Amino acid sequence: KQEVTQIPAALSVPEGENLVLNCSFTDSAIYNLQWFRQDPGKGLTSLLLIQSSQREQTSGRLNASLDKSSGRSTLYIAASQPGDSATYLCAPNAGKSTFGDGTTLTVKP
Amino acid sequence: NAGVTQTPKFRVLKTGQSMTLLCAQDMNHEYMYWYRQDPGMGLRLIHYSVGEGTTAKGEVPDGYNVSRLKKQNFLLGLESAAPSQTSVYFCASGDRGNQPQHFGDGTRLSIL
Repeated sequence: KQEVTQIPAALSVPEGENLVLNCSFTDSAIYNLQWFRQDPGKGLTSLLLIQSSQREQTSGRLNASLDKSSGRSTLYIAASQPGDSATYLCAPNAGKSTFGDGTTLTVKP
Repeated sequence: NAGVTQTPKFRVLKTGQSMTLLCAQDMNHEYMYWYRQDPGMGLRLIHYSVGEGTTAKGEVPDGYNVSRLKKQNFLLGLESAAPSQTSVYFCASGDRGNQPQHFGDGTRLSIL
């Protein structure tokens, strides 16, 4: 059974910092991996979807990488802003996904 | 452009009562999913559907039933609610299994 771990569980940074969120998964036989953000009291918003054949995917200040063989993905956020404050979740295999517990990010002005 | 709409947003039930949660999507997606989110346990898949008229069990299906009579709607039913089913329920849809999922804003269900 796939298990997903996200480290750290919580992160607080000052505005403007670059930061990295980590996601590890136990079963490397995945076809893609999705990163989401979740704001309090809201649903999940898809940020990036990396197919298994890709190594990286970029959207604006966000960059996600995938290393299937080591069972790891990272989400890099450049020049963080207070509006980035949210919980970030990773999920291998969009669809019948197994989700991590997320990293709760707070960006202080 | 509504995306995925869940009804109701909040509900309080008594143990043993029944109810149906409605999920509607306007993106013509084939795949639809029901998850529950609980503190410390993350999101867990309850049931899913790969097309109109089809349903399948996910990780935690016990105590729930689903129906997909129309492509745009996916219903989640609780026949006899139990306190353990107190949770936030999310519906999601996607074009195929390898396409991004779109989530609704959730239904917060409390069972007393």
